[in-house]
Amino acid sequence: DQQVKQNSPSLSVQEGRISILNCDYTNSMFDYFLWYKKYPAEGPTFLISISSIKDKNEDGRFTVFLNKSAKHLSLHIVPSQPGDSAVYFCAASRSNDYKLSFGAGTTVTVRA
Amino acid sequence: NAGVMQNPRHLVRRRGQEARLRCSPMKGHSHVYWYRQLPEEGLKFMVYLQKENIIDESGMPKERFSAEFPKEGPSILRIQQVVRGDSAAYFCASSPQQDRQPQHFGDGTRLSIL
Repeated sequence: DQQVKQNSPSLSVQEGRISILNCDYTNSMFDYFLWYKKYPAEGPTFLISISSIKDKNEDGRFTVFLNKSAKHLSLHIVPSQPGDSAVYFCAASRSNDYKLSFGAGTTVTVRA
Repeated sequence: NAGVMQNPRHLVRRRGQEARLRCSPMKGHSHVYWYRQLPEEGLKFMVYLQKENIIDESGMPKERFSAEFPKEGPSILRIQQVVRGDSAAYFCASSPQQDRQPQHFGDGTRLSIL
């Protein structure tokens, strides 16, 4: 039962442009969302998170938007840089819960 | 290096052998989580442990898999009588408290079954 879905397995974007990654979830009990970035042969690295009491959280070039009614969140990276080429995982959890439910990931390639 | 340490990074086993994966959490973290990633899939929760206690093993197969986090030493994920379907990347994460996010991940152990 895939409760977190990333429907785009890959994304190619030109350097300097915006990358937009999408994520949908089905469990209405989820109220905390995270994005992780993963390079090959490494573990996921935490990027940014958002609580359901907010609809936007920004950290430098990274902004996460949450639409609770649509059960949808997105990650915006602007401007995209070559070092952003990686797999990005969306993850969700409930308050006071330790289990993270992950999407299948989106591979981002930033072209020079 | 104060990060989550996993070893070995790569492990090759023949069918029927045992695999032992080790994880040392970040300094100051007493909560350990194991996740498994199959090819082309996201990470899936397996088990959550605190020192000397298994808190939640609901994501771990009932047979052949076990986990421990002793008072001294790393957390161990043990897979007995491995089968081809056990081939995956196994990631360990840690946190200072049960509900404290984000969890910090190690670089994983890639298990290959011949």
